[in-house]
Amino acid sequence: GQSLEQPSEVTAVEGAIVQINCTYQTSGFYGLSWYQQHDGGAPTFLSYNALDGLEETGRFSSFLSRSDSYGYLLLQELQMKDSASYFCAVKGNTGFQKLVFGTGTRLLVSP
Amino acid sequence: EAGVAQSPRYKIIEKRQSVAFWCNPISGHATLYWYQQILGQGPKLLIQFQNNGVVDDSQLPKDRFSAERLKGVDSTLKIQPAKLEDSAVYLCASSLDPRQYGYTFGSGTRLTVV
Repeated sequence: GQSLEQPSEVTAVEGAIVQINCTYQTSGFYGLSWYQQHDGGAPTFLSYNALDGLEETGRFSSFLSRSDSYGYLLLQELQMKDSASYFCAVKGNTGFQKLVFGTGTRLLVSP
Repeated sequence: EAGVAQSPRYKIIEKRQSVAFWCNPISGHATLYWYQQILGQGPKLLIQFQNNGVVDDSQLPKDRFSAERLKGVDSTLKIQPAKLEDSAVYLCASSLDPRQYGYTFGSGTRLTVV
């Protein structure tokens, strides 16, 4: 099976940088994804790491280390609208590549 | 492109009643997913369709849940009879194929069982 653990909540102020960690246990996977979900909204795809290293997309960056079973999402220049829940997810490498989500991290950005 | 459409947006039912949710995926997306998201948790895959065939329903409580995707387009998820623990948001998502790493989700149906 697969399990992914994240901190339940992170707080930060506008303009700051925050890192949301994800540790996982899985027998194998293609890559690590990150999704953002505002309260009452749909999860929205943010980024994907197929290989170890850092992927940058605007203010958001995502990192993967397969040897450490660890990844993180880095949010820079935080804005109030970044207040949301963030989920890491692994895409399985067997069958029809099931996407399994982590426990989720609620990010609260204050002025 | 239009997003993934789901209805109803909210539903309140009593335990032991039945309920159905509808999903219309993005046009051309062959793969459709139903996820259950209990408050404070990550989404959990219930069932995955490839066109109109089921490819993964390992976590679907088949004694009470059923789903179909006729003609490989829209889909319905049914619960009969509902239990209190079924209270959750039911999310539908779609992708071009299973290998695509970014899914498009609908806004979900929030079910409350009382």
